[in-house]
Amino acid sequence: DAGITQSPRHKVTETGTPVTLRCHQTENHRYMYWYRQDPGHGLRLIHYSYGVKDTDKGEVSDGYSVSRSKTEDFLLTLESATSSQTSVYFCAINGGGLNTDTQYFGPGTRLTVL
Amino acid sequence: AQTVTQSQPEMSVQEAETVTLSCTYDTSESDYYLFWYKQPPSRQMILVIRQEAYKQQNATENRFSVNFQKAAKSFSLKISDSQLGDAAMYFCAYRSPYNQGGKLIFGQGTELSVKP
Repeated sequence: DAGITQSPRHKVTETGTPVTLRCHQTENHRYMYWYRQDPGHGLRLIHYSYGVKDTDKGEVSDGYSVSRSKTEDFLLTLESATSSQTSVYFCAINGGGLNTDTQYFGPGTRLTVL
Repeated sequence: AQTVTQSQPEMSVQEAETVTLSCTYDTSESDYYLFWYKQPPSRQMILVIRQEAYKQQNATENRFSVNFQKAAKSFSLKISDSQLGDAAMYFCAYRSPYNQGGKLIFGQGTELSVKP
């Protein structure tokens, strides 16, 4: 299994507060991704990174920002959380070796915005 | 834009029987990858099986196999000898090597229940 951890695993916050979710990998892989999962939508890409300080937007990036100052860490920030951002957030990395085309997921973070 | 459709929101199977989950996709690309992921109640996304579009041979992983019909843009998952531990949400996913860092595009999921 890919070495991916996410923190926190659960968080409850209030509308308007900033929130940062962390993804940490021990695989030294270049690509990292943030997805959100909502009922009826599967998972959708928020942002991704293709290297240190190299990031780009996904299909549902409004209201989110990311940063990657080290290969192993990819941070997702909600500058001012809204109730529509209540979701489960997954981080993913590409596999290595023969599996670079396959994504492996972290355990997820359940975020509730009241 | 590519889309993935899973037309069965829920499926049920008797333990030890075989079940097939359906997935169709839409793309104009010829080079891509297809995946099935399993999500049990623990919420963890677990890779079940992958298929490269350029390979005509259907992928298999133990009790899991796919029926990949490239012309029909169909990618179904067959689970043989179903076990109670197979109960989960199953997601079909498409990956283009050319779009947004190779993001995954997911279907809506099929919830599989296994009856003892």
